[in-house]
Amino acid sequence: EDKVVQSPLSLVVHEGDTVTLNCSYEVTNFRSLLWYKQEKKAPTFLFMLTSSGIEKKSGRLSSILDKKELFSILNITATQTGDSAVYLCAATYNNNDMRFGAGTRLTVKP
Amino acid sequence: DVKVTQSSRYLVKRTGEKVFLECVQDMDHENMFWYRQDPGLGLRLIYFSYDVKMKEKGDIPEGYSVSREKKERFSLILESASTNQTSMYLCASSSAGNHQETQYFGPGTRLLVL
Repeated sequence: EDKVVQSPLSLVVHEGDTVTLNCSYEVTNFRSLLWYKQEKKAPTFLFMLTSSGIEKKSGRLSSILDKKELFSILNITATQTGDSAVYLCAATYNNNDMRFGAGTRLTVKP
Repeated sequence: DVKVTQSSRYLVKRTGEKVFLECVQDMDHENMFWYRQDPGLGLRLIYFSYDVKMKEKGDIPEGYSVSREKKERFSLILESASTNQTSMYLCASSSAGNHQETQYFGPGTRLLVL
């Protein structure tokens, strides 16, 4: 069965900490791994990863994919309270299938 | 284990047809959502519902309507399908809260309108 598993399910840190969120996947004919940040309603897109070992960065956020070990990590450095959200990863596979993980709830305390 | 199911994985319809996409969740969640996912545009919220018979427009409600007659079921309706509604449609549910509750997604329905 195709699945995407995120860990931890929830995380509480203090401002300035660095966090690493994990996403592992088992899908058929993997195509890409997507990361989203969900604060209010619709999740907002962060990264799309298709190649192993190439880090993508956006400000304090970065992500990397390991296609051999079937996982991705999302790093957030110097966390701020505004980073508090649920972070979702999703794998696209086959022609156009997509499966989301359950998300990691990050709480950043002042 | 939360389960969100969608009635079809793939649908092919013709322009002008009425299309029903069904979503069912088994966790007694109050909130349910319909999104569409398009390349380069990410997830866009079409409609959401906080409770039975309640519905609210999302960011792109035009051309769509919804129905929530039972708590576990949230239907998305395309009254007259058009080619620009070809997309991947994703349903999600979450428990009541301040919208920061984790949303659990269904497997998606890929709709092709010819």
